Amino acid sequence: DQQVKQNSPSLSVQEGRISILNCDYTNSMFDYFLWYKKYPAEGPTFLISISSIKDKNEDGRFTVFLNKSAKHLSLHIVPSQPGDSAVYFCAATDSWGKLQFGAGTQVVVTP
Amino acid sequence: NAGVTQTPKFQVLKTGQSMTLQCAQDMNHEYMSWYRQDPGMGLRLIHYSVGAGITDQGEVPNGYNVSRSTTEDFPLRLLSAAPSQTSVYFCASSKRDYYGYTFGSGTRLTVV
Repeated sequence: DQQVKQNSPSLSVQEGRISILNCDYTNSMFDYFLWYKKYPAEGPTFLISISSIKDKNEDGRFTVFLNKSAKHLSLHIVPSQPGDSAVYFCAATDSWGKLQFGAGTQVVVTP
Repeated sequence: NAGVTQTPKFQVLKTGQSMTLQCAQDMNHEYMSWYRQDPGMGLRLIHYSVGAGITDQGEVPNGYNVSRSTTEDFPLRLLSAAPSQTSVYFCASSKRDYYGYTFGSGTRLTVV
């Protein structure tokens, strides 16, 4: 029973355009949300996070939006660059530190 | 600064064999977790620990055991390997109250 869902397995975007990745969750006890980026043959690396008391967090080209009422978050990457091609995982945790991940979205940035 | 170290990087086991995947971190992190990554399934939590002597089950704990006798180490034991345990295993650690887990580079396990 996956409590974090990424329903788009892949996304193709042109270089310079915006990438929008979506994530839904079912557990109302989640209070912290994160995005991770993963290249092949490497471990995931932390990208950006947001607390449940906020609705937006920005870090350079990356912005995460949280809609608690809809149990939905999204990651915006602007502008997209070739080095952004990777698998992106959405993750969520409750106050006990148990981090749960979605299935991931493969992003391909084309020239 | 080693971060999270996983050994071995690759392993082939026969069905029924047992083995231990090692994980060590040198950042004095309280939280540690084990995940497996399978195609189309993302990262699924096997077991996690919030401190030495404290462990709990994740989403897919069956067939795996853990213990946490020190802050630094969190080994994952496969009791009797099955082909369904063929996967890439990741260990991760985090400071308490900060959930930006640091991941190791993974162990690719094949059970034949």
